[in-house]
Amino acid sequence: DSGVTQTPKHLITATGQRVTLRCSPRSGDLSVYWYQQSLDQGLQFLIQYYNGEERAKGNILERFSAQQFPDLHSELNLSSLELGDSALYFCASSAPDRDRANNEQFFGPGTRLTVL
Amino acid sequence: EDQVTQSPEALRLQEGESSSLNCSYTVSGLRGLFWYRQDPGKGPEFLFTLYSAGEEKEKERLKATLTKKESFLHITAPKPEDSATYLCAVQAYSGAGSYQLTFGKGTKLSVIP
Repeated sequence: DSGVTQTPKHLITATGQRVTLRCSPRSGDLSVYWYQQSLDQGLQFLIQYYNGEERAKGNILERFSAQQFPDLHSELNLSSLELGDSALYFCASSAPDRDRANNEQFFGPGTRLTVL
Repeated sequence: EDQVTQSPEALRLQEGESSSLNCSYTVSGLRGLFWYRQDPGKGPEFLFTLYSAGEEKEKERLKATLTKKESFLHITAPKPEDSATYLCAVQAYSGAGSYQLTFGKGTKLSVIP
């Protein structure tokens, strides 16, 4: 158990709909990262938040957005869903980057999104 | 653009048959190279971080090594429970105090009893 929690585990919805995925980082971690994993693309970085502020953006579509709240949990919002958005969505967290020893990202169990 | 290539894509081993997985990378300003293990339908599980060429780390039957262009994950006398997908990722500075991970597509290891 990495200490990162994600809800829900599974989500089935229809095209055009909007969903919200939730992530709680490990205790003490300030950074939250979101990733998308599909069969053909592998793990793709979407976005990072650090202590409530957006820190970096990767391959995130304009239909997707995220935020990190004062209690450090994060939500990933996916709107106008398309069939191709079906994938596993992972959240990861890492400690404040004080030194090399804190580089590791620890992943949650993921949310499997199916768009029908 | 940072690139990570893992080979082979899939590997079948008999129990006890040692082998190595390869991760070659192209990155500007490598800060760390990470190995993760991922079981089907689950989140990646952290295994190792390597920071500089020549560094080695071991954990049970796994040993990771790093050169300036690639990393190897050596599996000694594997057991069926070692079956998983092994992911390699490089971490580099991406601006504004952020260090991003770029993942390879993984090597799916199957260990046959």
